[in-house]
Amino acid sequence: DIVMTQSPDSLAVSLGERATINCKSSQSILYSSNNKKYLAWYQQKPGQPPQLLISWASTRKSGVPDRFSGSGSGTDFTLTISSLQAEDVAVYYCQQFYFSPYTFGQGTKLEIK
Amino acid sequence: QLQLQESGPGLVKPSETLSLTCIVSGASISNTNYYWGWIRQPPGKELEWIGTIYYSGSTHYNPSLKSRLTMSLDTSQNQFSLQLSSVTAADTAVYYCARHISDPEYFNWFDPWGQGTLVTVSS
Repeated sequence: DIVMTQSPDSLAVSLGERATINCKSSQSILYSSNNKKYLAWYQQKPGQPPQLLISWASTRKSGVPDRFSGSGSGTDFTLTISSLQAEDVAVYYCQQFYFSPYTFGQGTKLEIK
Repeated sequence: QLQLQESGPGLVKPSETLSLTCIVSGASISNTNYYWGWIRQPPGKELEWIGTIYYSGSTHYNPSLKSRLTMSLDTSQNQFSLQLSSVTAADTAVYYCARHISDPEYFNWFDPWGQGTLVTVSS
């Protein structure tokens, strides 16, 4: 199975500051024939189910604020929140869909400092 | 707007079968463009994909659960179901249903998700 490892496990950032969450896959999830990275990011707010933020490592879902951005290479990926808002407090998960079984990272808890 | 809602018992005894249903509204589960999945999250642990089903009844299971898992769908009720047999305490989790987005070659991400339902395995 592809193991997804997120860092840090938790993160406290001041309002208006940048938050960066990392996700590393145990093998490349870049499909060379189409140059696509088979990675999604989700946000889970307290008491809610996960919600899709980003697919293909960097494509924001319609309606997701542009302060959220994703980037990365074949094995190392980053979710960046450019200016943290209070409503961004949540747990964030990455998920690979390159190879079955589809696996998730352990989550990163983002809080306000 | 597509919405999913899980239903089923919140408590299951060890060695018995866990059964959950996901009721879909806002779209037909017979839509040939859609696949339907289950994901679970044990307390304090990461999310785990359980399996995915297509309107035709074809299934794709996580190998770690395959021997105990059965997924089915009821197009007349616009719902799909999960049965996990011989459960143990390790199967205690919040169970989510979701649409499993796919393209012709690959299963992709999950969107949207149901609210989730906690199932506890205990005598």
